[in-house]
Amino acid sequence: SYELTQPPSVSVSPGQTAEITCSGDVLPSQYAYWYQQKPGQAPVLMIYHDIQRPSGTPGRFSGSSSGTTATLTISGVQAEDEADYYCQSANSTTSYRVIFGGGTRLTVL
Amino acid sequence: QVQLVESGGGVVQPGRSLRLSCAASGFTFSSYGMHWVRQAPGKGPEWVALISKDGSHKFFADAVKGRITISRDNSKNTVALQMNSLRVEDTAVYYCARDGDWDWGQGTQVTVSS
Repeated sequence: SYELTQPPSVSVSPGQTAEITCSGDVLPSQYAYWYQQKPGQAPVLMIYHDIQRPSGTPGRFSGSSSGTTATLTISGVQAEDEADYYCQSANSTTSYRVIFGGGTRLTVL
Repeated sequence: QVQLVESGGGVVQPGRSLRLSCAASGFTFSSYGMHWVRQAPGKGPEWVALISKDGSHKFFADAVKGRITISRDNSKNTVALQMNSLRVEDTAVYYCARDGDWDWGQGTQVTVSS
């Protein structure tokens, strides 16, 4: 299928590592993007092209991709990282469209 | 600094039309495709449409195809979304976003309600 699947929630204690996965059949051929969204705010791009960090993204955020799964890793999680995270990719098999995962709520315990 | 400012949202009855606009600054507008993305209350983002840098190619989500058109004016650095035959399920915050770098505006609220 050409959808993206994320776990609804991930919980982690401060200082630990959080991993958020995104699964989809398009990922072997299309880049993954990751967004952070806090309440009342627009999504903010954290990772693009699977592994690249925009200049404003803290170094504790990293991305990886293998086969049909892309992963956002947050090392040394901080309280301010509590947010919703969405993956995004594209599907251009028939006609171009952008697809988003359902989102993962990261809770910092 | 890239800036995208959406406008034109509001409350509208089902079946009516609404035109959203996005004013861009801080980059060479004509060099980028532009997207519209929406987010319904409590839901994740949903892509709506893309227009190529010169306006010659347009793509739409199945959910809005036939009801929505996208256009741009590279002389004014604006991109517009014309929404017709609005439905309750079109209620969302609508964002414009720059292709490639995926900078987003702050969004404009569209509420479709009788």
